[in-house]
Amino acid sequence: NAGVMQNPRHLVRRRGQEARLRCSPMKGHSHVYWYRQLPEEGLKFMVYLQKENIIDESGMPKERFSAEFPKEGPSILRIQQVVRGDSAAYFCASSPSGAGNTEAFFGQGTRLTVV
Amino acid sequence: GQSLEQPSEVTAVEGAIVQINCTYQTSGFYGLSWYQQHDGGAPTFLSYNGLDGLEETGRFSSFLSRSDSYGYLLLQELQMKDSASYFCAPFLTDSWGKLQFGAGTQVVVTP
Repeated sequence: NAGVMQNPRHLVRRRGQEARLRCSPMKGHSHVYWYRQLPEEGLKFMVYLQKENIIDESGMPKERFSAEFPKEGPSILRIQQVVRGDSAAYFCASSPSGAGNTEAFFGQGTRLTVV
Repeated sequence: GQSLEQPSEVTAVEGAIVQINCTYQTSGFYGLSWYQQHDGGAPTFLSYNGLDGLEETGRFSSFLSRSDSYGYLLLQELQMKDSASYFCAPFLTDSWGKLQFGAGTQVVVTP
């Protein structure tokens, strides 16, 4: 049973380009969470999605960032017109359910570097 | 407002015991989770306290006191592989499963 799969593991983008990060949850999991981690800091919640629905995007910047979790395929976190401040590790976590579930399974993360 | 405090770093020798304290101030508190992260890799779940008291899982134990808004993670018989960052993460009633992480505690185990 494969764990949470994120790709790419490392992504380099020039300022102004788009970054697209993918997350395939564990088999049987229908809830996906995206977190961002800056160096020497904890993970900050960005967005929570279920299949075809955004449940909570309170931690996601209003501009340039978007997320989706289509009926088929992985969840995608999209960052348009990247800036240096977007450089961070982006982690995806999945769980079989939302409320009441107390354990999240994390992927290895995508390290985004904006040059 | 919401706040979460942990020590930034703890150093100990192999075989020792380390306690990582976590104090929190948050509304809608449901329980407290602990995660371990090695070198910026995938955070892994260690334990969850939904009730007051001590939860033991092998060499690691976690404690919660709701009345004191306080918890701790106890690492016993420290091994070199325990060198990592440890995060306490409150679980909130209205959070739909999302976690609120603190800045974490870097545990350094020395020979």
